[in-house]
Amino acid sequence: EVQLLESGGTLVQPGGSLRLSCAASGFIFDDYDMSWVRQAPGKGLEWVSGVSDDGGTTYYADSVRGRFSISRDNSNNMLYLQMNGLRADDTAVYYCAKEAHDILTGGNWGQGTLVTVSS
Amino acid sequence: DIQMTQSPSSLSASVGDRLTITCQASQDIDKFLNWYQQKPGKAPKLLIYDASDLESGVPSRFSGSGSGTHFTFTVSSLQPEDIATYYCQQYYSLLTFGGGTKVEIK
Repeated sequence: EVQLLESGGTLVQPGGSLRLSCAASGFIFDDYDMSWVRQAPGKGLEWVSGVSDDGGTTYYADSVRGRFSISRDNSNNMLYLQMNGLRADDTAVYYCAKEAHDILTGGNWGQGTLVTVSS
Repeated sequence: DIQMTQSPSSLSASVGDRLTITCQASQDIDKFLNWYQQKPGKAPKLLIYDASDLESGVPSRFSGSGSGTHFTFTVSSLQPEDIATYYCQQYYSLLTFGGGTKVEIK
């Protein structure tokens, strides 16, 4: 059974940094591209970032480019999102998602981890 | 950036009704369009990919159509378990979601 378990979400001050993790199991991790998607409280979905199966290619939404960095550790089946320069509008539940049908978010999603940016 | 305009933003329908949601892309995206269902407190789930292909295990009352800039998502006979918010998503260039359609039972 595919499982994606996010962690690392917490309350952080504006301008601060945070690293989110996503532990993957139940599939051959390094066969799949992966993504992060976020959802602000009561709002819609926003794709944040994606990474190729070998980690060599990364993709970012304009809203986070230059502040966030996606990476993966295929040896340990882990996906990461390093978030720097956090702002109040980064407050959201962050989901990791697995590729399917050549769609970065087309497969299973985790249950999400909440990041709150506030002083 | 490609913008996705979804309508309506909410709707109320009765069990058994046919409902339709539309999604308009700001430029031609061919058939690179997906539809997701998100139930309260849960992660989204892919229902339709490539505009009209039904994801495995998804009931056949769900369908999608369209290409280019105009797309339609249809539920042929609304069931109580279909209460959710539905999102379109383009993946022609990176990924962009529509604003969502919240579906409630009348």
